[in-house]
Amino acid sequence: KAGVTQTPRYLIKTRGQQVTLSCSPISGHRSVSWYQQTPGQGLQFLFEYFSETQRNKGNFPGRFSGRQFSNSRSEMNVSTLELGDSALYLCASSFGQGTETQYFGPGTRLLVL
Amino acid sequence: QQQVKQSPQSLIVQKGGISIINCAYENTAFDYFPWYQQFPGKGPALLIAIRPDVSEKKEGRFTISFNKSAKQFSLHIMDSQPGDSATYFCAASMFGSYKLIFGSGTRLLVRP
Repeated sequence: KAGVTQTPRYLIKTRGQQVTLSCSPISGHRSVSWYQQTPGQGLQFLFEYFSETQRNKGNFPGRFSGRQFSNSRSEMNVSTLELGDSALYLCASSFGQGTETQYFGPGTRLLVL
Repeated sequence: QQQVKQSPQSLIVQKGGISIINCAYENTAFDYFPWYQQFPGKGPALLIAIRPDVSEKKEGRFTISFNKSAKQFSLHIMDSQPGDSATYFCAASMFGSYKLIFGSGTRLLVRP
């Protein structure tokens, strides 16, 4: 069974631009969560989607948004990029009901210049 | 109250030794405690997880010990190997939530 895939793997943007990251969950998984990983703040929860609905949201500004499609694939968008948004963005998938086990993808490393 | 505190920040162990990483939490609503292992350039991978109704869980060389009254849990890696060198994260979540609260991570180095 294929794991969680994330595209692109690496991205370089400049301040003020926007970016869209994509995540394809493990087949059969309906829940997708997004996390930001930085050396200073560690792993922080962004949001979680299940059946195209956002069920939970972390403490990030409104510049961070996401969505989920009917095939469970998810995208997250960051608008008006800031230098501090440079991070590894991780996507995790799970069945979404009955078990909390989450499987992480390899991440997208975003560098904002 | 949402924090999970993890220690030590880094750990060096000789091959064959025992690696011990500790975590503590405040929120008694947490009821799922996984440990993740992360290698450079990779996403975190689930190692082992425990719920509060169990005091210990063992999977191969990895054991979680859970002390509900002290609100602490720890990961023990027996017979540590150089291939175990990675960053380890403890985490916690509440029933029905897929929001994992992570500890700050422990960088483990196992010397040959």
